Amino acid sequence: EADIYQTPRYLVIGTGKKITLECSQTMGHDKMYWYQQDPGMELHLIHYSYGVNSTEKGDLSSESTVSRIRTEHFPLTLESARPSHTSQYLCASGQEAGARNEQFFGPGTRLTVL
Amino acid sequence: AQTVTQSQPEMSVQEAETVTLSCTYDTSESNYYLFWYKQPPSRQMILVIRQEAYKQQNATENRFSVNFQKAAKSFSLKISDSQLGDTAMYFCAFMKGWGAQKLVFGQGTRLTINP
Repeated sequence: EADIYQTPRYLVIGTGKKITLECSQTMGHDKMYWYQQDPGMELHLIHYSYGVNSTEKGDLSSESTVSRIRTEHFPLTLESARPSHTSQYLCASGQEAGARNEQFFGPGTRLTVL
Repeated sequence: AQTVTQSQPEMSVQEAETVTLSCTYDTSESNYYLFWYKQPPSRQMILVIRQEAYKQQNATENRFSVNFQKAAKSFSLKISDSQLGDTAMYFCAFMKGWGAQKLVFGQGTRLTINP
């Protein structure tokens, strides 16, 4: 079944650690996105990708980085986690313009940095 | 830059009632899309309904319908015959009709359906 996956679902980690949040989709979408969402708040775009080897920063500044080496995989990395990075991170993928323009969301990773 | 505003942080209705969630947006674009997304507690965000700005007819999906007022830049969601499973955060979102297809979200409305 075509879907979008994120691991881990929950992560508690100490300050200064390097972390990578995984996101994979099996829908064959070219466009992928990372959003950051504080509890009960709106989502803010932090990174997006048009396709392989394409990455762009989003509207909200973030210390994280992303890579897109394969179409289906769009990992997000924090080199040195800090308490201010505590948030939920949602990955999404989307169809080409002119299609339904729908974005499909993963289940999210809830990150807590102590 | 586009902005999306949801002025109702929380709403609560009884099961089977009809509820309307409000959303206004600001843009200078002529070609765009509007969405309502639902985020149930601890569950995946899913699309409820979408509207193309060039279409005058309001979108409907079963019990969900929108009132799209382009001149007023208003995009409200009506849920008819509300069910307990409709309890969730609802986000209004805007997307330009070209480019990266980035979504700009409103602040969300927490909707509770009471038995």
